Amino acid sequence: EIVLTQSPGTLSLSPGERATLSCRASQSVNSSYLAWYQQKPGQAPRLLIYGASSRATGIPDRFSGRGSGTDFTLSISGLEPEDFAVYYCQQYGSSLWTFGQGTQVEVK
Amino acid sequence: HLQLQESGPGLVKPSETLSLTCTVSGVSISGSSYYWGWIRQSPGKGLEWIGSVYYTGSSYSNSSLKSRVSIFVDTSTNQFSLKLSSVTAADTALYYCAASLASYCVGVSCYGWFDPWGQGTLVIVSS
Repeated sequence: EIVLTQSPGTLSLSPGERATLSCRASQSVNSSYLAWYQQKPGQAPRLLIYGASSRATGIPDRFSGRGSGTDFTLSISGLEPEDFAVYYCQQYGSSLWTFGQGTQVEVK
Repeated sequence: HLQLQESGPGLVKPSETLSLTCTVSGVSISGSSYYWGWIRQSPGKGLEWIGSVYYTGSSYSNSSLKSRVSIFVDTSTNQFSLKLSSVTAADTALYYCAASLASYCVGVSCYGWFDPWGQGTLVIVSS
């Protein structure tokens, strides 16, 4: 099983600031098969990024993903009020899909 | 516009079988390239993939749950379902259904990201 560890657990930032979220895998993720999701209270997760760096349909370009192997990053350039939420990474490069434990981006 | 909606009992007794159904709208289960999955979310274990199924009925699941999980499709009603047997309090969670497109396949098992998700349904296991 590939364990995904996200850091930090909580990120306290102000609107307009840049957020950098990390997702580290316990072993290499095949072909960068990694996705990022955003979840707001009372809502299902929403796909942001797939294939480590491809934005899903309708996702603003302030969201960007990068990385390969075991280290992946989600960046949000210029936080908007609606971006304060919990973010999860997920790997689908092995036969057992796994998720990270999440990073909460909160208003400072 | 693809949408999914979970339904089923919100309360299940320990040792019984949890049964949930996901109704798909906006696309035909049998006419699309999607794989249909179940994921659950609990405070203790976070997000956990349960299993997935293709319209042909071919299914695959999380090895940690495999012996208790059954996932199947009903193309006539455009639904797919989850059965989880011998439940305990540890199975209390918010259960989501979701669609995935295959990034790659190993035999009949295909893997990809989840998009979209249903709104989720809370299942509590308690006597």
